[in-house]
Amino acid sequence: SQQGEEDPQALSIQEGENATMNCSYKTSINNLQWYRQNSGRGLVHLILIRSNEREKHSGRLRVTLDTSKKSSSLLITASRAADTASYFCATGTGNQFYFGTGTSLTVIP
Amino acid sequence: DTAVSQTPKYLVTQMGNDKSIKCEQNLGHDTMYWYKQDSKKFLKIMFSYNNKELIINETVPNRFSPKSPDKAHLNLHINSLELGDSAVYFCASSQGSLPNYGYTFGSGTRLTVV
Repeated sequence: SQQGEEDPQALSIQEGENATMNCSYKTSINNLQWYRQNSGRGLVHLILIRSNEREKHSGRLRVTLDTSKKSSSLLITASRAADTASYFCATGTGNQFYFGTGTSLTVIP
Repeated sequence: DTAVSQTPKYLVTQMGNDKSIKCEQNLGHDTMYWYKQDSKKFLKIMFSYNNKELIINETVPNRFSPKSPDKAHLNLHINSLELGDSAVYFCASSQGSLPNYGYTFGSGTRLTVV
């Protein structure tokens, strides 16, 4: 399967702490993206990292990509209750994306 | 000012019925998609259209038929609905046919077949 696999499946932290989620994939990719899905809503694009990039930042988000290990991580710093959602990685190859099954993050106020 | 809008948001119907889900995007994107999200939150692509042409057609029962009247619309028609079709269906759009840009998703249509 070309889909990414997120780890852990579920994560619960206190507000203010950092949250780290990992994504592993199996085939070579053009890029990797992270999405957030709030309960009952569509997915929202967070950040895209290309295969020739190693790290990218966007606000409180930091994404790393290690193509030799076929893995990526998403770090959310100083988490807030509003960050509670499911987070998906999507690996871009060929002409489409393949989504993983997501990490469910709960931030406790 | 919704970017990708789907209707209806909820759809409850009996087995054997035929139903349609509509999707429209006002972003000027030229590629649109249909994804199915199952109860375990796994997202699987079903179809992709670029400028009204079908470019991705994953292994989906032929009871599912997409229709793209123009590049801003991609509708999904489902014939002879089955219990296993119950899921959340998401429409999405992107600029270009290659996944070099982020997708913009609609808010989903929750289909329940009883």
